[in-house]
Amino acid sequence: EVQLLGSGGGLVQPGGSLRLSCAASGFTFGTYAISWVRQAPGKGLEWVSAISNTGGATFYADSVKGRFTISRDNSKNTLFLQMNNLRADDTALYYCAKSVAGTVLGFDSWGQGTLVTVSS
Amino acid sequence: SYELTQPPSVSMSPGLTARITCSGDSLPHQYAYWYQQKPGQAPVVVIYKDTQRPSGIPERFSGSTSGTTVTLTITGVRAEDEADYYCQSADRNGKIVIFGGGTKLTVL
Repeated sequence: EVQLLGSGGGLVQPGGSLRLSCAASGFTFGTYAISWVRQAPGKGLEWVSAISNTGGATFYADSVKGRFTISRDNSKNTLFLQMNNLRADDTALYYCAKSVAGTVLGFDSWGQGTLVTVSS
Repeated sequence: SYELTQPPSVSMSPGLTARITCSGDSLPHQYAYWYQQKPGQAPVVVIYKDTQRPSGIPERFSGSTSGTTVTLTITGVRAEDEADYYCQSADRNGKIVIFGGGTKLTVL
């Protein structure tokens, strides 16, 4: 069974930093691209960032480009999201999502999410 | 910027057919995916690559495509299908993932 366990969320002040992690199990982690997708309270889904299976290619939404960095450690089956210069509108539940085989761009499994709150 | 447009809400009586549309200029060039999200839960894929249904998803869920519009059809809607549904695709270059705004399906 695919499991994606997000962690690292919390309360942070505007301008602060946070590092999210997503521990994966139940599949060959290094074979699949993975993304971060967020959902602000009461709002829809917003894609944040994606990384190819090897980590050699990364992609970002314009809203986070230059502030967030996605990375992965295939030896530890773990995905990361380093978030810097956080803003109030970054407040959301952050999901990690495993891509469908052969693509970066669609998802077949989602974690339960980790909550990030940016507030003073 | 690329957008996917969905109706905010759809209502349907049990047993009837619900159709949720999603429109966007990139859809003829990129696959579409559909996710179901119930309150307090993570999204679940119900259709991938336009028309493919994952194992474990009931046969009443189907996807179709025509030009710049993709459609999620739920044949014989059940009360348990009440949820938010999101379409998702990508820009023409395949580097940006896009979600539609979501459609709240209410089963009357």
